[in-house]
Amino acid sequence: ILNVEQSPQSLHVQEGDSTNFTCSFPSSNFYALHWYRWETAKSPEALFVMTLNGDEKKKGRISATLNTKEGYSYLYIKGSQPEDSATYLCAYNNNDMRFGAGTRLTVKP
Amino acid sequence: DSGVTQTPKHLITATGQRVTLRCSPRSGDLSVYWYQQSLDQGLQFLIQYYNGEERAKGNILERFSAQQFPDLHSELNLSSLELGDSALYFCASSVDGGNTIYFGEGSWLTVV
Repeated sequence: ILNVEQSPQSLHVQEGDSTNFTCSFPSSNFYALHWYRWETAKSPEALFVMTLNGDEKKKGRISATLNTKEGYSYLYIKGSQPEDSATYLCAYNNNDMRFGAGTRLTVKP
Repeated sequence: DSGVTQTPKHLITATGQRVTLRCSPRSGDLSVYWYQQSLDQGLQFLIQYYNGEERAKGNILERFSAQQFPDLHSELNLSSLELGDSALYFCASSVDGGNTIYFGEGSWLTVV
């Protein structure tokens, strides 16, 4: 992995479903991995900063895990709500801050 | 409100022209980042400054340049504009290069 890759590109779920998406990043020279939430017509907002292998962070119904040895992070949303609809970005922080293309989540009522 | 201020919010200009986008970082932040978001594209990293010095350079065209001033505000200069330069340009700032970055509301540039 040379760049930050996110999958899936988009996701449609029903309200109440739990979901997760993946961020893959270069595993060498790791410094930090960031998750952001980006709503339409707004600016990206920070969710988590993760630095240690095995890190788990949680904010309400959203949580994230980090595996620096294999170069991936998962973002989980439990019991999705329509207001969770947004694009979720991960960013690999080494010398600079490079973002993946994001996963666009749509939660249907 | 993230505390990062970008001006102008919207700008329409003609091809071949030059524009300057301005960014004031959050109080106390030393790092400034510039990103470009074109239609159906993700956030493309352009350039990062730290305390007045260029720290990292991404996919920034030669027609584009940036600088960070002693008061830590930053400007992104876009010259010889082309239709394809139409995009939303974000500025973000952080205390240092490893920390959470905070985004401004962006500057919408339309080249006609």
